[in-house]
Amino acid sequence: GESVGLHLPTLSVQEGDNSIINCAYSNSASDYFIWYKQESGKGPQFIIDIRSNMDKRQGQRVTVLLNKTVKHLSLQIAATQPGDSAVYFCAEKRNQGGKLIFGQGTELSVKP
Amino acid sequence: DTEVTQTPKHLVMGMTNKKSLKCEQHMGHRAMYWYKQKAKKPPELMFVYSYEKLSINESVPSRFSPECPNSSLLNLHLHALQPEDSALYLCASSHPGRRQGSYEQYFGPGTRLTVT
Repeated sequence: GESVGLHLPTLSVQEGDNSIINCAYSNSASDYFIWYKQESGKGPQFIIDIRSNMDKRQGQRVTVLLNKTVKHLSLQIAATQPGDSAVYFCAEKRNQGGKLIFGQGTELSVKP
Repeated sequence: DTEVTQTPKHLVMGMTNKKSLKCEQHMGHRAMYWYKQKAKKPPELMFVYSYEKLSINESVPSRFSPECPNSSLLNLHLHALQPEDSALYLCASSHPGRRQGSYEQYFGPGTRLTVT
């Protein structure tokens, strides 16, 4: 399953399928990007990050892709599991102060 | 210890009350943050402390007053709040500058605030 566009709030996928969550950012000067997962009733939890001098980074079952030409970031989750159900936020860092600007988020729902 | 703790977990207060939210971390981080989060919305930055000094105030109303007593503690004092201030208040911490290429912020579980 794949989310498209900046403001699509919900993505529903079947357990075992791959998920792709997309994020568009606006500031070409942003030099660092991060994905957070937020489960209901909890604070955001770090998933993976990437610097602007990279276009791909892999973690355990997750991959982040960065396309600076079109200012687009995506999070790919392989073999999606029910425990992956959560809201996913991308965030960008725009200056040296470490301030993060969060995107609107995508709610991922995994059907067993 | 990679945990940010927040107390209380839930808080209900009237518009004339004074209350405080507390945040603590023991990771040696020297940057600490307060965020406000409404349901199904992203966290909105309120304040940033760097080395115990307020470095960013995102034009937050004065009824919210932050305090950083030491490098491990962060408070948010609340007074004369409005019902629209009801939200999840998140605390986060990080290394203030780049460390190993990461600007990751570690978040606490939040305080669910209801203003009646």
